[in-house]
Amino acid sequence: GQNIDQPTEMTATEGAIVQINCTYQTSGFNGLFWYQQHAGEAPTFLSYNVLDGLEEKGRFSSFLSRSKGYSYLLLKELQMKDSASYLCAVRDRGQNFVFGPGTRLSVLP
Amino acid sequence: DADVTQTPRNRITKTGKRIMLECSQTKGHDRMYWYRQDPGLGLRLIYYSFDVKDINKGEISDGYSVSRQAQAKFSLSLESAIPNQTALYFCATEDRDGTYEQYFGPGTRLTVT
Repeated sequence: GQNIDQPTEMTATEGAIVQINCTYQTSGFNGLFWYQQHAGEAPTFLSYNVLDGLEEKGRFSSFLSRSKGYSYLLLKELQMKDSASYLCAVRDRGQNFVFGPGTRLSVLP
Repeated sequence: DADVTQTPRNRITKTGKRIMLECSQTKGHDRMYWYRQDPGLGLRLIYYSFDVKDINKGEISDGYSVSRQAQAKFSLSLESAIPNQTALYFCATEDRDGTYEQYFGPGTRLTVT
């Protein structure tokens, strides 16, 4: 079966760095995505990894290891507005998107 | 104007009723998706369409049907709504020419009583 695991909740302090982990077991692999979703709003795209390694985009970075079925999203210089849910998603062999349950991040002052 | 729109934004309906959720996009993307989101379960794929003549079932298609009326329009129907279809429904399009990211509509909150 298809399975994506993420921690349910995380808490961090404003200005700090936080790493959100994602592990996956899917039918094939055609890319891993991270989305941000504020409460009551639509998800918005953060990053896309298809090859192993680190992709950096401003304060956000995403890492992928295909052999380990593992990814993480790194958020630096946390701001209050970063309080949101972070969704890990994998595109499988059939071009379907499989989403994890999401990690709710709370940033405290 | 928003690139991906959904109507209605909120709907309360009774068990057994037929209901249609509509999605329109101005992004010019061929691929469109319907998801439902439930607390603790994340987004689950209901149906997807790679072009007007191509419709595919997702993970949880039972109880739902779709229609791709044009490149810009993709509708989701619940033929006979049941309470466990109460959820937040999102439509999305996919950018195949760039980052492969999905663009989500604002969502429709559906309550079946």
